[in-house]
Formats: sequence, C-alpha cells, structure tokens
Amino acid sequence: GAVVSQHPSWVICKSGTSVKIECRSLDFQATTMFWYRQFPKQSLMLMATSNEGSKATYEQGVEKDKFLINHASLTLSTLTVTSAHPEDSSFYICSARRALYTFGSGTRLTVV
Amino acid sequence: QKEVEQDPGPLSVPEGAIVSLNCTYSNSAFQYFMWYRQYSRKGPELLMYTYSSGNKEDGRFTAQVDKSSKYISLFIRDSQPSDSATYLCAMSANTGNQFYFGTGTSLTVIP
Repeated sequence: GAVVSQHPSWVICKSGTSVKIECRSLDFQATTMFWYRQFPKQSLMLMATSNEGSKATYEQGVEKDKFLINHASLTLSTLTVTSAHPEDSSFYICSARRALYTFGSGTRLTVV
Repeated sequence: QKEVEQDPGPLSVPEGAIVSLNCTYSNSAFQYFMWYRQYSRKGPELLMYTYSSGNKEDGRFTAQVDKSSKYISLFIRDSQPSDSATYLCAMSANTGNQFYFGTGTSLTVIP
C-alpha cells in the first residue's frame, strides 16, 4: 500500500531558529502533498497544498513567509518553519494522495 | 454550511460496548467515503473505505453509507481500550477531486 514517511517525528528548537520537516512518498509518486497542523485535541487544519515544481497554495491565514514549502521532486516535500516562536509549537502532519489520502506519522515541534 | 459535519465528542464508552460514530454531509455528489483513525501523537491511518451506498464490514468495524440521507456511520463492535482514538470521516466526489474531512470524534473505551 501507499506509504508516506515523515521526519523527524519530534523536534525541539530554540526560539528564532528554523526547522525543516520532510515528507516522502515511499512507494508512489505524489505531484501533490498536503501539510496540516493540529493542536491538542483538535482536528487537522489544512495549512497548504504542495505542488511539485510549482509554488505551494496556502490556506487563508497561513503565513507564506513563516511556513516555507518546497516540493522539489515527485517524492519529497519539505516544510520549513522559519524564525520559530513558541506559538508555532504544534503537531505537523503531511499527507499525499495515491487513490486515497495517506498520512505521515506527524512531527511534534516544540519551540522553547 | 460545512461540507462535512462530525460531532467532536468526546465519547466515552465501557469496554465491550457498541460504538456508533457519524458524519453528515451536504454535497450529494460525494461517492467515496473514508474513515481514518488517529492515535494520540500519530498521523491518521485509513481504517475503512466505501464507495457509494451500502455497508462494508471488516472484523469488528462496519462502515455504513446512506446517500439518501447524506449520512455515514462507523460502528465498532465489542469495543476495546485499544480503540481509544480520534476517528475522522472523509469524503469526495471522485478520487481525483478534493477530499473533505470531518473534525474528528474523540473516543475513549474504558476498561
């Protein structure tokens, strides 16, 4: 079946630094990947749609300059949280669609 | 009106109970219906997938779709503490189209 790998699974960083999260489709090519953010006990919030070879599409209210997305190949999309602050601490999840959505295992980001 | 409505719960049941999780939707074009299970601090995993109306059974899980009422359900029989998770419904008109997710229902099965 379709497998999406997300790395790292958790990261702690200092305020003001940048953090990169990787999302890979292991056994299929994904021209489109999706990035979600999830706060404790809340559902998934779509942040942006990552398109291979072109600019990402961001949802309303999501800062493009804060959350940089690069989809350089058909199997890899990256989300970089730039100049992270404590309020960026959250659970970030990526997904890709073969026929149905497959999600990565998520990345827990803590900014201290 | 949201495309998909799902009661967030939380829902708490004793072990062995039958659990019913539900979603309603407004778009009559939806034909593909999915249920995802998400454990705490993990990504959602696909649990059940159905096309059009009818029932689909997989072990203790049964997915039911009533397109006339725009209502889908997930039943869990003989619920176990390991079933404690958040369950999200998702649906689409076509696998090539956008998928719409419910907000998720938090379930706790008490031993």
